[in-house]
Amino acid sequence: EAQVTQNPRYLITVTGKKLTVTCSQNMNHEYMSWYRQDPGLGLRQIYYSMNVEVTDKGDVPEGYKVSRKEKRNFPLILESPSPNQTSLYFCASNKLAGGGPGELFFGEGSRLTVL
Amino acid sequence: SQKIEQNSEALNIQEGKTATLTCNYTNYSPAYLQWYRQDPGRGPVFLLLIRENEKEKRKERLKVTFDTTLKQSLFHITASQPADSATYLCALGDSSYKLIFGSGTRLLVRP
Repeated sequence: EAQVTQNPRYLITVTGKKLTVTCSQNMNHEYMSWYRQDPGLGLRQIYYSMNVEVTDKGDVPEGYKVSRKEKRNFPLILESPSPNQTSLYFCASNKLAGGGPGELFFGEGSRLTVL
Repeated sequence: SQKIEQNSEALNIQEGKTATLTCNYTNYSPAYLQWYRQDPGRGPVFLLLIRENEKEKRKERLKVTFDTTLKQSLFHITASQPADSATYLCALGDSSYKLIFGSGTRLLVRP
């Protein structure tokens, strides 16, 4: 089954404790992206990657890091989480075709709470 | 800055009626526009994509229009059903690799 898998789905942590949210896709997609979703603000892009070793900032990259060492994986790293990073996070992927990522396949989301 | 507006108030309609959701945008010239469905606690699911040179697109009971002069897209669900109740997101993209999302409109279809 084609899917984007995120882990963990739920996490409560404390300020400053480094954490990683993993994302893996089994569709051989070049494009992967991380979004955060907050009430009233919609989905905002954090980082995206067009292929292995190619990453770029989205609209809200501060406080986050990413890496793309393998095509299928795109982990999101919070080196020193703060309460304003409490949010619902989504990973998404797609093949690149004709400019732009086109339709996106989303994971089920990771709800992060930073105390 | 780029801005996408979707009605933040929930749309409440009777089963069988046509639901019409609106997506307006400013300070942007998108190459395409997409609509997604999102159920509570789930990731968005792609529904339709319409390009800037297309006026209308249909898929089963769904219809999307795209007016680049008005900077607006309308999303219609005909013969609505309670199972159509969800939040609907519009998203705009261009030839770059960013996709900008609206905050969504919640649709409630009463039996």
